[in-house]
Amino acid sequence: RKEVEQDPGPFNVPEGATVAFNCTYSNSASQSFFWYRQDCRKEPKLLMSVYSSGNEDGRFTAQLNRASQYISLLIRDSKLSDSATYLCVVTLNTGGFKTIFGAGTRLFVKA
Amino acid sequence: EAEVAQSPRYKITEKSQAVAFWCDPISGHATLYWYRQILGQGPELLVQFQDESVVDDSQLPKDRFSAERLKGVDSTLKIQPAELGDSAMYLCASSTTTSGGTQYFGPGTRLLVL
Repeated sequence: RKEVEQDPGPFNVPEGATVAFNCTYSNSASQSFFWYRQDCRKEPKLLMSVYSSGNEDGRFTAQLNRASQYISLLIRDSKLSDSATYLCVVTLNTGGFKTIFGAGTRLFVKA
Repeated sequence: EAEVAQSPRYKITEKSQAVAFWCDPISGHATLYWYRQILGQGPELLVQFQDESVVDDSQLPKDRFSAERLKGVDSTLKIQPAELGDSAMYLCASSTTTSGGTQYFGPGTRLLVL
């Protein structure tokens, strides 16, 4: 089993739709959680950190469920510019800190 | 806005040749990471530095890969000899801490081994 697993993609949605991505992690030593966005042939960029209390940034909402070991990202009112790959990222604390990326979920928003 | 610099952006080489990639992190960032990303997959950590010291190289194929950050600033990743399976994007990232803070990525070096 992979340490960080994401919904298989791609997701194809119309503009204005709401779309949700899920991510599960296997190691209970996981300490920090993030969503990164990666455009085609570009580098990953931080979208948002994920906190236990949940957090929102405009149209984006991230949730963390430590008991079930999953993270979610909700995008409301999808825009064409949201088309990208969304990477779930977990940092483990196992004596040192280790960052693990999920394989990513591809989103296509169409007009 | 400060950026992570990487060079070259693209590299084509033949198998068994040596290649080297360079990364200059954001000024003041003590932690530097090298990742390999194969098409359709997420980045895989190869090596992590805290200043000039390696803190994690458990996924680095040490028979052919080496990395250094001699003065705790810029870093070089080397592959010798390159193999066909090394074709991938090599990403460098930096952060202010090792404890899971935001990582800032450079544009990457796309390697093609023929």
